Amino acid sequence: EVQLVESGGGLVQPGGSLRLSCAASGFTLRSFWMTWVRQAPGKGLEWVANINQDGSEKYYVDSVNGRFTISRDNAKNSLYLQMNSLRAEDTAVYYCARTNGFDPWGQGTLVTVSS
Amino acid sequence: DIQMTQSPSSLSASVGDRVTITCRASQGIRDDLGWYQQKPGKAPKRLIYAASSLQSGVPSRFSGSGSGTEFTLTISSLQPEDFATYYCLQHNSYPWTFGQGTKVEIK
Repeated sequence: EVQLVESGGGLVQPGGSLRLSCAASGFTLRSFWMTWVRQAPGKGLEWVANINQDGSEKYYVDSVNGRFTISRDNAKNSLYLQMNSLRAEDTAVYYCARTNGFDPWGQGTLVTVSS
Repeated sequence: DIQMTQSPSSLSASVGDRVTITCRASQGIRDDLGWYQQKPGKAPKRLIYAASSLQSGVPSRFSGSGSGTEFTLTISSLQPEDFATYYCLQHNSYPWTFGQGTKVEIK
């Protein structure tokens, strides 16, 4: 079964850091662009970042540029989102998705930034 | 950045109704647009890609049209399982941007 599973969410204080992981199964991650999308509680979807197959191209929404880093380890079939200098407005469910076809998506992992 | 203006923000409709949702781009995006359905507590699901192509496995009552700056998602005959929130997403240029969403509720 083609599947993505996120992990690493949780409660963090403002200014803190968190690393999200997205484990792929049922397909070879190295062949695909990958995407992170987030959704603040009760709000709409926001595209966060994209990364190409070998990690040489990365794109970010302005609000996280310089604070978040998207990366991948193709040998581990895994995608990551390193989030630094977290703010209250980063509180959201974070989804990873295979960019090609936008399928599959992970189940989402909740990040809460609060003191 | 390209702004996507989606309307309406919500609508009430009955089973069997024809429903139309619109997204307008602040500049031309060719047909680099997809439509997504999201149900509460679930990840989004893509319905339409390239503005008018039906994603595999999606019922034919869903259709998309448009190019350039104006796009439409149509549900020809609303079914109970279609009550959800719908979003457009432009991927013409970075940063990619979603519309604000349209919540389709039961009348």
